[in-house]
Amino acid sequence: DQQVKQNSPSLSVQEGRISILNCDYTNSMFDYFLWYKKYPAEGPTFLISISSIKDKNEDGRFTVFLNKSAKHLSLHIVPSQPGDSAVYFCAASGSWTGNQFYFGTGTSLTVIP
Amino acid sequence: KAGVTQTPRYLIKTRGQQVTLSCSPISGHRSVSWYQQTPGQGLQFLFEYFSETQRNKGNFPGRFSGRQFSNSRSEMNVSTLELGDSALYLCASSPTSGPNNEQFFGPGTRLTVL
Repeated sequence: DQQVKQNSPSLSVQEGRISILNCDYTNSMFDYFLWYKKYPAEGPTFLISISSIKDKNEDGRFTVFLNKSAKHLSLHIVPSQPGDSAVYFCAASGSWTGNQFYFGTGTSLTVIP
Repeated sequence: KAGVTQTPRYLIKTRGQQVTLSCSPISGHRSVSWYQQTPGQGLQFLFEYFSETQRNKGNFPGRFSGRQFSNSRSEMNVSTLELGDSALYLCASSPTSGPNNEQFFGPGTRLTVL
């Protein structure tokens, strides 16, 4: 049972434009969300997180938006750069999950120079 | 600070064999979690160890087991390998257990079962 879903397996964006990656979750008890970026042959690296008490968190070119009523979060990358080309995973956890995170299946982003 | 290290990086086994994977967390991190990554399934949580105790376990058969040593290093064992166990196994460490902890991942061990 996939509790965190990323319905777009891939996304292509022109350099300089905005990349929007989407993530949906089914469990309304999740209260902490993260985005990870993964390059081939490397482990995922933490990008940005958001707590359920917020609806937006910004870090440089990266902004995560959380819509709790829709159980939806998105990652905006502005402007997109070729080095952003990677697989992006969203993940969720709750107070009962300890260090267990529920991950989506990933979206492969390609930024075209 | 050195990152999370995993050994070996690549492994080829045959069905029915067993395998042991190793993970060394970031110095000072006491929690180690293991994940299985397969195409189309994303990262699936296997288990978490904290202070040598298993804190949480995912929905995997008993063939998957692990342990943690007093220096926080962790091993994962898979017995009676099946073809479907072919995957990237990722280890992640964090300073403590509990929610809202950023996890730091290693590069993974690519296991191929023939």
